[in-house]
Amino acid sequence: DTGVSQDPRHKITKRGQNVTFRCDPISEHNRLYWYRQTLGQGPEFLTYFQNEAQLEKSRLLSDRFSAERPKGSFSTLEIQRTEQGDSAMYLCASSRTPAYEQYFGPGTRLTVT
Amino acid sequence: GDSVTQMEGPVTLSEEAFLTINCTYTATGYPSLFWYVQYPGEGLQLLLKATKADDKGSNKGFEATYRKETTSFHLEKGSVQVSDSAVYFCARDNAGNMLTFGGGTRLMVKP
Repeated sequence: DTGVSQDPRHKITKRGQNVTFRCDPISEHNRLYWYRQTLGQGPEFLTYFQNEAQLEKSRLLSDRFSAERPKGSFSTLEIQRTEQGDSAMYLCASSRTPAYEQYFGPGTRLTVT
Repeated sequence: GDSVTQMEGPVTLSEEAFLTINCTYTATGYPSLFWYVQYPGEGLQLLLKATKADDKGSNKGFEATYRKETTSFHLEKGSVQVSDSAVYFCARDNAGNMLTFGGGTRLMVKP
């Protein structure tokens, strides 16, 4: 296993711009999760996929946020019309099946200026 | 809703001191419980887990016991090292799906 990878590691953008993050899970992990972590807080759940199906979305995921996992492998998280409140670390995790431990990637740190 | 509460930090200890970080969870369902650790500049790493009442998770000298009667999962280590300095997160799962995390506890160990 090469671990969960995320790209980019850092992103600085101006308010109102769109950004897209990518997550590559551990191969053969069919569950993929997105979380958001603000400074000094624990991660908060955003959404998750079972293969290519998006099974649940948090109330935190406003309509400016969209996530996809088109072939059940990598996933993208897009934020449209970014706001300063979107500044956070966006974490991706994967697991083999439900109820197995989740392995986290290094995160993408987003700064909205 | 489901929640996890852990003691606020920072916790500052001298090397070889005994560590306890308290964690309590809401008792809905039959969650699995986890401790994750985040070293400076790194991602979250699973430290240990327990899947049912009275289970004890252990790893790298750290232990935590799933206490259903007190809805607790306190993290302990008998003798901390400088290299244990990190932020520790307690978490529970929700029907085997997403995780709910506590706010994190920063541990600083001084030589």
